[in-house]
Amino acid sequence: IQMTQSPSTLSASVGDRVIITCRASQSVSTWLAWYQQKPGKAPNLLISQASTLQGGVPSRFSGSGSGTQFTLTISSLQPDDFATYYCQQYNTYSVETFGQGTKVEIK
Amino acid sequence: QLQLRESGPGLVKPSETLSLTCSVSHGSFDSNNHYWGWIRQPPGKELEWIGSFYYSGSSYHNPSLKSRVTMSVDTSKIQFALMLTSVTAADTAVYFCARQSRIVTVRGPRRGVFDLWGQGTTVIVSS
Repeated sequence: IQMTQSPSTLSASVGDRVIITCRASQSVSTWLAWYQQKPGKAPNLLISQASTLQGGVPSRFSGSGSGTQFTLTISSLQPDDFATYYCQQYNTYSVETFGQGTKVEIK
Repeated sequence: QLQLRESGPGLVKPSETLSLTCSVSHGSFDSNNHYWGWIRQPPGKELEWIGSFYYSGSSYHNPSLKSRVTMSVDTSKIQFALMLTSVTAADTAVYFCARQSRIVTVRGPRRGVFDLWGQGTTVIVSS
């Protein structure tokens, strides 16, 4: 299953509402996760099961979608949110796959 | 809190075998609720799942790596290992070990999200 994110790069300002899209090449139901990665660091799990926020993750992050279309929304971008975001599907019993990433930059 | 830390040589010659170890501290991996896996990230590229295993012995790997991957566990040392044979420059990457959730469904257990990661270790394949 191939995962395609858009956009690849996003320029935004603090306080902006940011939406990142992830599309699967076939249905993954809601077996979809979102991660945040900062330079030189490991990814950090934000959301599982398409919309379940992990403990300690700020409520400005939210996820939605099912099937092949998913979104990650940051309601009000904060300075700590400038990073690269990846989606990951885990629907298949074969291979877990990640999207190519969306880099959120300072405008 | 459980922590993971990768270790291994930073430089490997082409055609040789890459060996990495993931040490588990403040916990163990004989958990019914988790798999343990390896993920890599080539420079400037996306994450690629290498493989995962369950403590009882079941293991799974990315078919794209064919038969080059071997994963093993040393329960006495509370660590697990990755071996990747016949490396090429395409294997240059940051390698992460991670804990992966185990989801029990009516169809049986399935692998889930990576909820805890090591810091990553850089491996360069070059002569």
